[in-house]
Amino acid sequence: DTGVSQNPRHKITKRGQNVTFRCDPISEHNRLYWYRQTLGQGPEFLTYFQNEAQLEKSRLLSDRFSAERPKGSFSTLEIQRTEQGDSAMYLCASRNLQGLAGGRTDTQYFGPGTRLTVL
Amino acid sequence: DAKTTQPNSMESNEEEPVHLPCNHSTISGTDYIHWYRQLPSQGPEYVIHGLTSNVNNRMASLAIAEDRKSSTLILHRATLRDAAVYYCILNRAGNQFYFGTGTSLTVIP
Repeated sequence: DTGVSQNPRHKITKRGQNVTFRCDPISEHNRLYWYRQTLGQGPEFLTYFQNEAQLEKSRLLSDRFSAERPKGSFSTLEIQRTEQGDSAMYLCASRNLQGLAGGRTDTQYFGPGTRLTVL
Repeated sequence: DAKTTQPNSMESNEEEPVHLPCNHSTISGTDYIHWYRQLPSQGPEYVIHGLTSNVNNRMASLAIAEDRKSSTLILHRATLRDAAVYYCILNRAGNQFYFGTGTSLTVIP
């Protein structure tokens, strides 16, 4: 399968613990996005990378959240001192902007998500 | 970013066409109109996108109003597998997506 993969698919943790999620984008996709989705809502943007550079972070991304993409390939999202309000689905998406010009757009490809439950 | 407005839910009978509307009155000239759908327990899936002209692909058709302030996603023959939440999103080249709450489509056998 050459799509976006995320691990783990499910994570249950106790409040106050740290958790880390991994996203493997489609190879050669230079853009990688993280979103969070709570029940009944659409995905909310958290942050994105172009290659290894983190270019934008949403106000939703508190100091307890950190994301990395050290080699411009896979990415990790860490949540420190988890709170019950962090319970959500965390989605990763990738896209390839190489060759885009003149305001053209391209599609994002989403992974299956990691469902986090904080007890 | 410009916002979109969609009905919360719609129903369709199986094998009939479905027209899912989206209003985006504050769209700018560089905003593309994207449609994604999300099946239960899955990540969003690309359906179609366009800028000014109507678009067709194997999954659906996208009809864009002449003033671009609204669009309609058309599923030509709804199947049970089309039951999902459909999101209409405005996107400028390379930017992140801003999802609304979408339209939950129920397909009745």
